[in-house]
Amino acid sequence: AQTVTQSQPEMSVQEAETVTLSCTYDTSESDYYLFWYKQPPSRQMILVIRQEAYKQQNATENRFSVNFQKAAKSFSLKISDSQLGDAAMYFCAAKSSGDKLTFGTGTRLAVRP
Amino acid sequence: DTAVSQTPKYLVTQMGNDKSIKCEQNLGHDTMYWYKQDSKKFLKIMFSYNNKELIINETVPNRFSPKSPDKAHLNLHINSLELGDSAVYFCASSPGNTKGDGYTFGSGTRLTVV
Repeated sequence: AQTVTQSQPEMSVQEAETVTLSCTYDTSESDYYLFWYKQPPSRQMILVIRQEAYKQQNATENRFSVNFQKAAKSFSLKISDSQLGDAAMYFCAAKSSGDKLTFGTGTRLAVRP
Repeated sequence: DTAVSQTPKYLVTQMGNDKSIKCEQNLGHDTMYWYKQDSKKFLKIMFSYNNKELIINETVPNRFSPKSPDKAHLNLHINSLELGDSAVYFCASSPGNTKGDGYTFGSGTRLTVV
C-alpha cells in the first residue's frame, strides 16, 4: 500500500513569483512513479508533471519543476513565474504495482494579481 | 474530440432512486477507472477495469455496480441512492501498460442526492 501526504491545505503566491508545494509519500516498492495533477475551478483533472523513481534528474515541464528527494520520500512542485491561470487545487499522486493512482489531499493555490 | 467523456455532468436526484453515469474514452486505452471526490476534495479510487475485466474493487457499498460492455466504456450504476453518495465522480483511462502511464480524466459528474 502507498500513502501520499500534502501538509499544506492552502498556499498563496504573488503573480510572477515562485511557489513550492510540498508532498511526501510512503511506499514499500522500489519501482514507482509520482505525479502532480492540477484541478482548476472547471473541475477537470490535468496532468502537470511526472517523475520516475529510478531517475535522479528532476522532471521539468516549462514553468513547472519538481524537487525529488528519494531518500526523504519527498516530491515537491515548484511553479515559477506564477500566472493567474495557475490558481487551482494541486494533487500529488503515486503509482506503483497494481496500477492504482493514490492521491494526496490536495493544496489549494491562490494567485494574487 | 473529447478524450474521456462522462454523462451527465450534473445529476440531482432523490434518496432511494437508482441512477447511472456513463463514461466513454476514444483514446484506445485498455484500462478505465472510477474515482469519487468527496466534499473535501479527497479523491479515492472505486473500481478499475482492464479490457472489460474487473481489476480493482475497493471497499465500496455493493449498491455501486460498474459495467464495462467493451474496453471503451465503463458505466457506473448506483442503487438506492443515499445522501452520503453526493460527490463528484470521475471516470479516467490509461494505456495500463506501465506504471508511468498517467491517467486521462473525464470532466466529472456532480451527483447531488436530496
